[in-house]
Amino acid sequence: ETGVTQSPTHLIKTRGQQVTLRCSSQSGHNTVSWYQQALGQGPQFIFQYYREEENGRGNFPPRFSGLQFPNYSSELNVNALELDDSALYLCASSYSERGLNEQFFGPGTRLTVL
Amino acid sequence: QKEVEQNSGPLSVPEGAIASLNCTYSDRGSQSFFWYRQYSGKSPELIMFIYSNGDKEDGRFTAQLNKASQYVSLLIRDSQPSDSATYLCAVTPDAGGTSYGKLTFGQGTILTVHP
Repeated sequence: ETGVTQSPTHLIKTRGQQVTLRCSSQSGHNTVSWYQQALGQGPQFIFQYYREEENGRGNFPPRFSGLQFPNYSSELNVNALELDDSALYLCASSYSERGLNEQFFGPGTRLTVL
Repeated sequence: QKEVEQNSGPLSVPEGAIASLNCTYSDRGSQSFFWYRQYSGKSPELIMFIYSNGDKEDGRFTAQLNKASQYVSLLIRDSQPSDSATYLCAVTPDAGGTSYGKLTFGQGTILTVHP
């Protein structure tokens, strides 16, 4: 069974730039959720994708957007980067149709905005 | 009031002792409860989940849920130095299915197990 993978591992951008982060879900999973984790804090929910549609969104501005592809992999796009966007971005996959909601995290992408 | 609150750490216990980690939540409709372990510089790793009131045991770990008190805890028996990590409590508003399962996390409790 293949686990959740994310790319890239680390990324450095400057304020105002755009970034795309990628996630491949665990084999057999159909749902991908994205979280932002600032240093010393718990992860904060950004949004979730199920069957290629956004299926819930946290308190993040529209410049955070995403996609899910037919193979259930996903992208997180952030436009007009701000310094406060510096964080660990985590992707989690799950299989929603079992009536369970155990989410398994990938290794994360560390984004630094200068 | 924060949606999910964990006991402030750091928590330090000697090797072999029981570590007790606590979490309270504000949404009475919360259905699913999770404990994640996060080593420094790594991503969260799911160690326990519980959906029903009572206790659930898995090896050295026991999760306890009391929905009436809106309280969930994690006990780690025979603590080992390798258990030293940040422990994150997370809750969701539903039991899964096709509705979305946003995880709301607490701020985490740092546990140190010293030899």
